[in-house]
Amino acid sequence: QSVLTQPPSVSGAPGQRVTISCTGSSSNFGSGYDVHWYQQLPGTAPKVLIYGNNNRPSGVPDRFSGSKSGTSASLAITGLQTEDEADYYCQSYDSTLGAYVFGTGTKVTVL
Amino acid sequence: QVQLVQSVSELKKPGAPVKVSCKASGYTFTNYAMNWVRQAPGQGLEWMGWINTNTGNPTYAQGFKGQFVFSLDTSVNTAYLQISSPEAEDTVVYYCARGHDQGAYFDYWGQGTLVPVSS
Repeated sequence: QSVLTQPPSVSGAPGQRVTISCTGSSSNFGSGYDVHWYQQLPGTAPKVLIYGNNNRPSGVPDRFSGSKSGTSASLAITGLQTEDEADYYCQSYDSTLGAYVFGTGTKVTVL
Repeated sequence: QVQLVQSVSELKKPGAPVKVSCKASGYTFTNYAMNWVRQAPGQGLEWMGWINTNTGNPTYAQGFKGQFVFSLDTSVNTAYLQISSPEAEDTVVYYCARGHDQGAYFDYWGQGTLVPVSS
């Protein structure tokens, strides 16, 4: 059972904006540990989308943005496109577990 | 460019040891940690632990101690994951993932290795 909780699914029409929440606790986000986001397209390995709360690796479109506040974080996708259909995972470090942890994952569907 | 290439899937019988390899290229292997992540079919990602590629010292997450062993062969820039006695519930995909040196995240991933276990 993950210590980072995400909604199982979110959906939106092409061009819309969707957000994915990631709820943590005092032993991860609340202790100052960063959030990172990964995109996993069907049948492929995860790929880092956002690192260090709000930084995009080169090649990641600026439609993707991240934020963190207190014990929660979120990923926003603006101008939703069909190729954004994928599973998205948040990730951080948890000091109580002494381990890196992933969120429960969110499936994004483009209607 | 950085690449992590994992071994291909092989059907295994319950109890037969399994060794997954992860060959790195495009960077200095010993400068970055190597992590292992597990994903059951249709499920989320689970961090198994990491190995210090400079010292060879492994660290296992809770729940992965005992049955899983991380090792290295730095002469061929390869990390290994050994599963000593896989059972049917171990039919999952295993990923190797490089740890970024300035942040606690995984910047490059292998393509994944499915280890199907069936009698």
